[in-house]
Amino acid sequence: SQQGEEDPQALSIQEGENATMNCSYKTSINNLQWYRQNSGRGLVHLILIRSNEREKHSGRLRVTLDTSKKSSSLLITASRAADTASYFCATDRHDYKLSFGAGTTVTVRA
Amino acid sequence: DAGITQSPRHKVTETGTPVTLRCHQTENHRYMYWYRQDPGHGLRLIHYSYGVKDTDKGEVSDGYSVSRSKTEDFLLTLESATSSQTSVYFCAISEEQGGSEAFFGQGTRLTVV
Repeated sequence: SQQGEEDPQALSIQEGENATMNCSYKTSINNLQWYRQNSGRGLVHLILIRSNEREKHSGRLRVTLDTSKKSSSLLITASRAADTASYFCATDRHDYKLSFGAGTTVTVRA
Repeated sequence: DAGITQSPRHKVTETGTPVTLRCHQTENHRYMYWYRQDPGHGLRLIHYSYGVKDTDKGEVSDGYSVSRSKTEDFLLTLESATSSQTSVYFCAISEEQGGSEAFFGQGTRLTVV
């Protein structure tokens, strides 16, 4: 079964707005990663947060991790049309195999 | 972009035939993975390799086998293709097992008719 589950499944926002998506997982992890996939392309790594970290930033991306709730969030600020994509969380459990969720599809309207 | 190439990019095959997908990397990364992506399921791990001739099963390995005779190549074989194996297959590589980012190939769209 999949470790990570993203919520919502789909998100539509206006350009310039912020987009927030969440990831919940079931078992303890070493780290959690977020990836982006543009239509018809492979996945691209966005950010990695380790289990002993609570928040991490990269450009317009902000990731939080709450290990007590087994959840993470990805915030994209000041969204652009180019942010239209599917976003996946991936958990690295103690068996070191990355396990992906089903993803959140984000559409940014001009 | 990480040097990772999948071939073929598209393939249509008939039920019951064997199919081999190839993943080639130029990064000299130790770890290589095969995933399949289906609507509503995200990516599911089929098999992975942690070195030459060292492989292990993922969560959906039935009907698939892999081989890694060289660091740079990781082959995925569908022994006898079935319609349920119609999917998009992604290869990924990483320097560390799970502790670092994974780099993905562009994917192979396989249709079994």
